[in-house]
Amino acid sequence: AQKVTQAQTEISVVEKEDVTLDCVYETRDTTYYLFWYKQPPSGELVFLIRRNSFDEQNEISGRYSWNFQKSTSSFNFTITASQVVDSAVYFCALSDPTISSGSARQLTFGSGTQLTVLP
Amino acid sequence: KAGVTQTPRYLIKTRGQQVTLSCSPISGHRSVSWYQQTPGQGLQFLFEYFSETQRNKGNFPGRFSGRQFSNSRSEMNVSTLELGDSALYLCASSSVGGATDTQYFGPGTRLTVL
Repeated sequence: AQKVTQAQTEISVVEKEDVTLDCVYETRDTTYYLFWYKQPPSGELVFLIRRNSFDEQNEISGRYSWNFQKSTSSFNFTITASQVVDSAVYFCALSDPTISSGSARQLTFGSGTQLTVLP
Repeated sequence: KAGVTQTPRYLIKTRGQQVTLSCSPISGHRSVSWYQQTPGQGLQFLFEYFSETQRNKGNFPGRFSGRQFSNSRSEMNVSTLELGDSALYLCASSSVGGATDTQYFGPGTRLTVL
């Protein structure tokens, strides 16, 4: 069965600090996709990144970076020089295309990490 | 390109009533998925539609149903509302709904059941 664990329920940092959000996943298959979404107070889930299980290269996009490590089943997300506008709930999610064709189309989400950036 | 739109944004209903929520996907997207988000259970998959057919359903009672129209717009219906149905209902669209597709979410409909 698929499972995504975000052990950090809440994180609070002061503006300009770096912060890392942890994500650990479980799946029995070798082919899968990982996602990060951001949910600001408005409620909409905003897509941030998608990574497939064959690509372990870390990625940087502006102040955001992602560290994917298959050996530890982790897909961590770092915000550098955090800003107040980064305050939101961040979700890690897993999609596994190798399970039955129906179930493959659903995302399994972690419980989310509430990030608060204080001015 | 316009994003996923959901109407209404807020709804207040009483127990026993039924409710219909609407979702318009991104233009060109043919797959629509619905998720329920509650503080206790988090984000849970409800169902997915493609070409007017339900392809996948989560573990929810039959009171939760949906449909998709030929223009890919989707509706979900909840009958005989219960207090526990109070939640944020999120709709997501993707091009063909494959497991490798990225799902793009709408702003959600916040349903309160009194």
